[in-house]
Amino acid sequence: AQTVTQSQPEMSVQEAETVTLSCTYDTSESNYYLFWYKQPPSRQMILVIRQEAYKQQNATENRFSVNFQKAAKSFSLKISDSQLGDTAMYFCALGSGGGADGLTFGKGTHLIIQP
Amino acid sequence: ETGVTQSPTHLIKTRGQQVTLRCSSQSGHNTVSWYQQALGQGPQFIFQYYREEENGRGNFPPRFSGLQFPNYSSELNVNALELDDSALYLCASSPEAAQQDTQYFGPGTRLTVL
Repeated sequence: AQTVTQSQPEMSVQEAETVTLSCTYDTSESNYYLFWYKQPPSRQMILVIRQEAYKQQNATENRFSVNFQKAAKSFSLKISDSQLGDTAMYFCALGSGGGADGLTFGKGTHLIIQP
Repeated sequence: ETGVTQSPTHLIKTRGQQVTLRCSSQSGHNTVSWYQQALGQGPQFIFQYYREEENGRGNFPPRFSGLQFPNYSSELNVNALELDDSALYLCASSPEAAQQDTQYFGPGTRLTVL
């Protein structure tokens, strides 16, 4: 069975600061993918960033980047120059090749950006 | 390009009733997955449909069933509703080609069972 653990239920930072959200996972698959999704109060789940496990290079999307440590099974999300609109629930998710088993999500981290 | 859409937005049912939720996949996507998100939790995978066939299922009882139509839209049916079925139900679609593992979510249907 695959598991995803997010150990920070809530985090709060000031606008423009950098914040890192933690995620650890466990899987027996060799071909898998990792994702961070954002869910604002509107509840629409929005893809933030995607990482293929076979790629050593960490994915980046504008202000969002990941630190993927495959041996440690760690996948953290760094948000630079945080903005008020970044306030949301952030979910780490794991999917195996083919996707037929769906995504396994963590319990989420509630990120609050203070003005 | 139209994203994933779901209907209805909200729904209230009583215990024992049956419910049907609907999802239209994003243009160019032929795979649809359904998730249940209880309050304060991450989404839980219910099942996935690919080319009108169920090709993966999570740990949900048979009273959760689904369909996928030739236009790749999908339905989730839940029979004999229980109070614990109250949740946000999310539909997600994936492309067949590159990045087929990546799922794009709709806005969800909030189901309340009284």
